[in-house]
Amino acid sequence: EVQLVQSGAEVKKPGESVKISCKTSGYNFNGEWIVWVRQMPGKGLEWMASIYPGDFATKYSPSFQGQVTVSADRSITTAYFQWSSLKASDTATYFCARHRLWVARSIDYGMDVWGQGTTITVSS
Amino acid sequence: QSALTQPASVSGSPGQSITISCTGTSSDVGSYDLVSWYQQYPGKAPKLIISEVTKRPSGISNRFSGSKSANTASLTISGLQAEDEADYYCSSFAGSTTLAVFGTGTKVTVL
Repeated sequence: EVQLVQSGAEVKKPGESVKISCKTSGYNFNGEWIVWVRQMPGKGLEWMASIYPGDFATKYSPSFQGQVTVSADRSITTAYFQWSSLKASDTATYFCARHRLWVARSIDYGMDVWGQGTTITVSS
Repeated sequence: QSALTQPASVSGSPGQSITISCTGTSSDVGSYDLVSWYQQYPGKAPKLIISEVTKRPSGISNRFSGSKSANTASLTISGLQAEDEADYYCSSFAGSTTLAVFGTGTKVTVL
């Protein structure tokens, strides 16, 4: 069974940084993209960034470029999302998902397995 | 890359059919037959219900169907049931730089 299990909720102060994890199992971690998606309270889904663990290729939404960093540890099949210098407006739930995508061939089978979400609350 | 445009809400009575539109541009929806649809219940993770415009993953009810014309994709839910009350999001591949763009989301209410 394919599973993505995210780390627990975080409470941070403005200006602090946070790193959340997405532990995967049940599939070839190196061969699939991991995507990170933000959902602010009561709002919609936003694509933030993606990483392909096979070669550590990364893609970032222009809206989040420079603010967030995605990484992966192939030895423990875990992806990470790091946000530096948090603001109160960054309070949201962050999801990781497996994205069955082959960029060079323009094949996209969708984000078929999702983590449970990690809520980050930023408050002074 | 702007979000794809969806109606904020759609409602229908049990047994009826409803359609949710998802309008993008020639850079995303119009360029690729790579539109996915997700269902999300409050406090839960999204669930993939349609990929590649029309394809249903294993286990997804055939009451869900997708289509596309030019820059607009659509999700139709037929035989509406109470359990279909949820938020629905479309997304599209948008090229090798912007791997995904989501729609604004639609709340489906079963009357």
